[in-house]
Amino acid sequence: AQSVAQPEDQVNVAEGNPLTVKCTYSVSGNPYLFWYVQYPNRGLQFLLKYITGDNLVKGSYGFEAEFNKSQTSFHLKKPSALVSDSALYFCAVRDGGGFKTIFGAGTRLFVKA
Amino acid sequence: DVKVTQSSRYLVKRTGEKVFLECVQDMDHENMFWYRQDPGLGLRLIYFSYDVKMKEKGDIPEGYSVSREKKERFSLILESASTNQTSMYLCASSFIGSSYEQYFGPGTRLTVT
Repeated sequence: AQSVAQPEDQVNVAEGNPLTVKCTYSVSGNPYLFWYVQYPNRGLQFLLKYITGDNLVKGSYGFEAEFNKSQTSFHLKKPSALVSDSALYFCAVRDGGGFKTIFGAGTRLFVKA
Repeated sequence: DVKVTQSSRYLVKRTGEKVFLECVQDMDHENMFWYRQDPGLGLRLIYFSYDVKMKEKGDIPEGYSVSREKKERFSLILESASTNQTSMYLCASSFIGSSYEQYFGPGTRLTVT
């Protein structure tokens, strides 16, 4: 069965510092991995995805994520955090042959000035 | 830009009422989804549709039904609302195929009293 774990409910980081939001997954086939962000009172917005190819993928707003097959992880990163990055972040996985996307519980990111 | 709209941002209904939540997308997407979002649980799939008049149950379909009469419109129906259906409801759409990301509406916060 597919599953996604986001081990941290909350991540706190100072503006200008690098940030990491962690995600690990479990699928039976090839994983298709996604990160979404939710700003207050808004729907989810797509940030980036890994389907195949280069393990480091770049997305919107300066975010990137690294696919690590041996550790079954897909951590979200940004070299320099902004206060405006404060939001709820969701990792999601889809088994390559399936239609259903499984979402993690979400990690709330606080960036303080 | 893809636009997914939902009929209401906030809705208050009484126990036992029939509730309709409507979702419209303007990008000719084949797939449409209904999720509910609850704190600490992430997003859980209620129903999914991959074509007009086609539907598949998600993880938590009990107490809900759906209708897709036109490609751009996907409705979620709560046959007899109960207090445990108080939640944020998110609609999403995507192109068919596992590698495509989903586009979300702003959400409807439903309160059942």
